[in-house]
Amino acid sequence: GAVVSQHPSRVICKSGTSVKIECRSLDFQATTMFWYRQFPKKSLMLMATSNEGSKATYEQGVEKDKFLINHASLTLSTLTVTSAHPEDSSFYICTLPVGTEAFFGQGTRLTVV
Amino acid sequence: QKEVEQNSGPLSVPEGAIASLNCTYSDRGSQSFFWYRQYSGKSPELIMFIYSNGDKEDGRFTAQLNKASQYVSLLIRDSQPSDSATYLCAVWYGQNFVFGPGTRLSVLP
Repeated sequence: GAVVSQHPSRVICKSGTSVKIECRSLDFQATTMFWYRQFPKKSLMLMATSNEGSKATYEQGVEKDKFLINHASLTLSTLTVTSAHPEDSSFYICTLPVGTEAFFGQGTRLTVV
Repeated sequence: QKEVEQNSGPLSVPEGAIASLNCTYSDRGSQSFFWYRQYSGKSPELIMFIYSNGDKEDGRFTAQLNKASQYVSLLIRDSQPSDSATYLCAVWYGQNFVFGPGTRLSVLP
C-alpha cells in the first residue's frame, strides 16, 4: 500500500490563483519531506526540504514567497504555489525519506492557464 | 556540486534482450544508490538499491556498483515491452537525493 498520499493528482488553475498540494505520510513519522519539481523529459529537481515544526530549507533559485511550504505535523506537509503563472506548470512530487530509502507521493500535475 | 549523469537515450532493445543502463556520479562520499522506473505522467517507483561494491540481483534486474570508478549500472534481462519507461539513477548523500536526468528505454516487441 501507499506510504505517502499526495493530493490532488491533477489540478488546472487560472493564472494568479494559488494551489495547495498536500502530502500525507501514512505509515511513518514524517519529520522531513522533500519536494521535487519535474519538467517534461527532465529529471527531478529538489525545490525544498520541509522540516516538521520548523522552516523549510529551500534550494538556491527557488522563491520562498512563491512556493510556501508548511510542515506542521508528523503526517502532513503542504506546498502552496502562490500567484501561479503558466511557467509554474509542472509535475510536483513529494518524497518521504525513511532511512536511506525514499517513498514518493503520486505526484501532482499542475497546469496554469 | 554533486552531479549524477546518465545517457538520456532513447535506448532501444528488442524484446527478450538485455538492457544495460549506466550512471556515473561525482561525489565519492555517496552512500547509497537507487534505480527508479518512471512511466510517463507517473511518479517514480523503486526498482533496486545498492550500497556495496559488486552485483545485486533481484529477479530480472541486476544492479552493479563500482565505487572506485563512481559508476553504477542496471541490467534488465529478458526485456519486456512493459519495461519501456524512463529509468532514473538516484544517489543518497546523507541529507537528500540527487537524481540523474534519466534514460528512456524502449523495448521493441
